[in-house]
Amino acid sequence: DADVTQTPRNRITKTGKRIMLECSQTKGHDRMYWYRQDPGLGLQLIYYSFDVKDINKGEISDGYSVSRQAQAKFSLSLESAIPNQTALYFCATSDPGLAGSDTQYFGPGTRLTVL
Amino acid sequence: AQKVTQAQTEISVVEKEDVTLDCVYETRDTTYYLFWYKQPPSGELVFLIRRNSFDEQNEISGRYSWNFQKSTSSFNFTITASQVVDSAVYFCALSEANYGQNFVFGPGTRLSVLP
Repeated sequence: DADVTQTPRNRITKTGKRIMLECSQTKGHDRMYWYRQDPGLGLQLIYYSFDVKDINKGEISDGYSVSRQAQAKFSLSLESAIPNQTALYFCATSDPGLAGSDTQYFGPGTRLTVL
Repeated sequence: AQKVTQAQTEISVVEKEDVTLDCVYETRDTTYYLFWYKQPPSGELVFLIRRNSFDEQNEISGRYSWNFQKSTSSFNFTITASQVVDSAVYFCALSEANYGQNFVFGPGTRLSVLP
């Protein structure tokens, strides 16, 4: 079984709808992340959480919110989806080691299309 | 600020050729970590290697090798005797110990290995 799972894997929705993407992990890692990937732009960090009570904005958090329900679960919400949020979304986890040394392990991705 | 540049947007080679993917980084930190990830056509992100700033030894793993040179701020990735299964987008990433909490990804290099 995969260590980091994301649901749904694909989603098509309409402008203005509320969408939730879910991430679960069995790696026992404290840290979790949400990224979006757009063609030619690499990955951009949306939000990250270093533990259940710690939530931080990334470089492109506008239009998104997150919830860390448990160590193993980290959800990303689009309160009112817009077409330029069409992208591939990745969840990642890491285990804290020396500062900056965490290797991030990624889920399979969720392809979101906003019409 | 952190920055990762992968100047090669796309590379095409014929099977069995060697190919080098370039990665140049910028950081103000003295302690940092460099990573390579592979994203095959199926879309998942696969961790390949992590290197810390104090270890400039080259790394070899099968057909893969990595050349880290602090003098030129580069962490290049070479695939020897490329195979069709190496076709993927490859991302270089940087994480700082003291000035940044998170990964910064390069834009990626799309490698196509033709039979």
